[in-house]
Amino acid sequence: GESVGLHLPTLSVQEGDNSIINCAYSNSASDYFIWYKQESGKGPQFIIDIRSNMDKRQGQRVTVLLNKTVKHLSLQIAATQPGDSAVYFCAARRDYKYIFGTGTRLKVLA
Amino acid sequence: NAGVTQTPKFRVLKTGQSMTLLCAQDMNHEYMYWYRQDPGMGLRLIHYSVGEGTTAKGEVPDGYNVSRLKKQNFLLGLESAAPSQTSVYFCASSTGRTILSGANVLTFGAGSRLTVL
Repeated sequence: GESVGLHLPTLSVQEGDNSIINCAYSNSASDYFIWYKQESGKGPQFIIDIRSNMDKRQGQRVTVLLNKTVKHLSLQIAATQPGDSAVYFCAARRDYKYIFGTGTRLKVLA
Repeated sequence: NAGVTQTPKFRVLKTGQSMTLLCAQDMNHEYMYWYRQDPGMGLRLIHYSVGEGTTAKGEVPDGYNVSRLKKQNFLLGLESAAPSQTSVYFCASSTGRTILSGANVLTFGAGSRLTVL
C-alpha cells in the first residue's frame, strides 16, 4: 500500500536557527502535498501546500520543497521560534485520499 | 464561521457498546473525512465521502461505519466498541476543487477523544 513517512520522530533546534523537516512518499501518482502543524490537544492546522507541478513554494517564514524524482518533500522554517514547537505532519493526496506521515516533533531550545 | 465541529469531545464506552460521532461543517465542502490518531501512528484514514450520499473506505475501516445523508454532516459509527478503538478521532473537510492551489486544504475539527474500557 501507499505510505508517507517522516525521517526523524524528533528534531531539536536552537531558537533563531532554521529547521528542516523531511518527508518521503511512496506513490508517484500523488498530486498534492500539505504540511500541517499540531499542538497538544488540538487538531492539525494548515501551514503550506504545494502541487505536484511545482518544486518550491514559500510562505511567511516557511518554504516547502518538492523533489518528485526521489519522492521527497521538506518543510523549512526560518528563524525558528518557541511558538513553532509542535508536531509536524506531511500529507500526500492521490485521487480523493490524503495519506499522512507519522509526524516529527519539533522542540525549540532557548 | 465555526468551520468543522465535532461532537462529543470526550466519551468513555464499555466494550460492546455502540456510539456515533458527529461531524458538521459550515463551509459547503464537498469532501469529508474521518481519521484516527494513535501515539506514534500519525493520522490514519478510516472512511471518507466525496459528496452527499457517498462513502468510501480508507486505510483502517474495519469496525466503523459512516453515513453522509446531508452535505454538511458526516457521521462515524461504532457498532460494537473494542479497546483497540481507543483513540482520538478527527474529522476533516475539503472543497475538492483542483484548479487553485490551496483549494484542496483539509480543514480539521478539534478532535473527539474516545476511550473504550
